[in-house]
Amino acid sequence: RKEVEQDPGPFNVPEGATVAFNCTYSNSASQSFFWYRQDCRKEPKLLMSVYSSGNEDGRFTAQLNRASQYISLLIRDSKLSDSATYLCVVNEFGGSQGNLIFGKGTKLSVKP
Amino acid sequence: EPEVTQTPSHQVTQMGQEVILRCVPISNHLYFYWYRQILGQKVEFLVSFYNNEISEKSEIFDDQFSVERPDGSNFTLKIRSTKLEDSAMYFCASRRLANEQYFGPGTRLTVT
Repeated sequence: RKEVEQDPGPFNVPEGATVAFNCTYSNSASQSFFWYRQDCRKEPKLLMSVYSSGNEDGRFTAQLNRASQYISLLIRDSKLSDSATYLCVVNEFGGSQGNLIFGKGTKLSVKP
Repeated sequence: EPEVTQTPSHQVTQMGQEVILRCVPISNHLYFYWYRQILGQKVEFLVSFYNNEISEKSEIFDDQFSVERPDGSNFTLKIRSTKLEDSAMYFCASRRLANEQYFGPGTRLTVT
C-alpha cells in the first residue's frame, strides 16, 4: 500500500520560531512532491513544489531526499497566519494520471 | 487569479438518494480530479479525468460513482445511491500541464 507518513503534531510554537516538518513516502518511484496547507474545513492550498535540489520561497524551505524517501519543510520566523495543517503530498505518476497521495498532515499552531 | 469553483457548498441528502456535485475547473486546465476527505481523515483520491475520459480511479470510486464533463466548463461527480459513509468533503481539482493541482473550496456532503 502506497503511503505518505507525517508526524501529526500538534506543533505549538511562539511567533518568530523556526519549525520543521518531516515526511516519508513509501513508493520509491514517486515523481513529484508538494507541500500543501489546509485551514480548518477548507480546501488544500498549494504551498510549494519540492525539487531534488531543494527550493526556497520566502520564509519556507523545502528539501527532498530521494535516497531516503524523505521530504521536509522548514518555516522560519513563524507568523500567527502560518497556523494550519501542513500536508505532505506525493504524485506517483505523471502524464494523464497524476493523482495525489496525501499524508494526514501536521498541525501547526503559532502563538503570540 | 483564476480559481476552481464548486457548488453547492453544502448538500444534505437522504440515504439512497442521488446527488450531483458540480465543479468549474480553471478554464485552460486539461486534467480534472475528484478527491474526498472524511472528517478528521486524510484527503483521498477518487478519480482523474483527461481528454473526456476517466484516466485513473481508486477503489473508492465504485459503480455508484460517475463523472462527466457535459460541456466545456463543468465537471460533475454523481453518486447514484448515497450511503451514510459517503458523508465527506468532496474537492474538485484541476491542472494544466505542470504537476501542480489547484483545489476548489469543496462541497460538504451530509447523508442522513
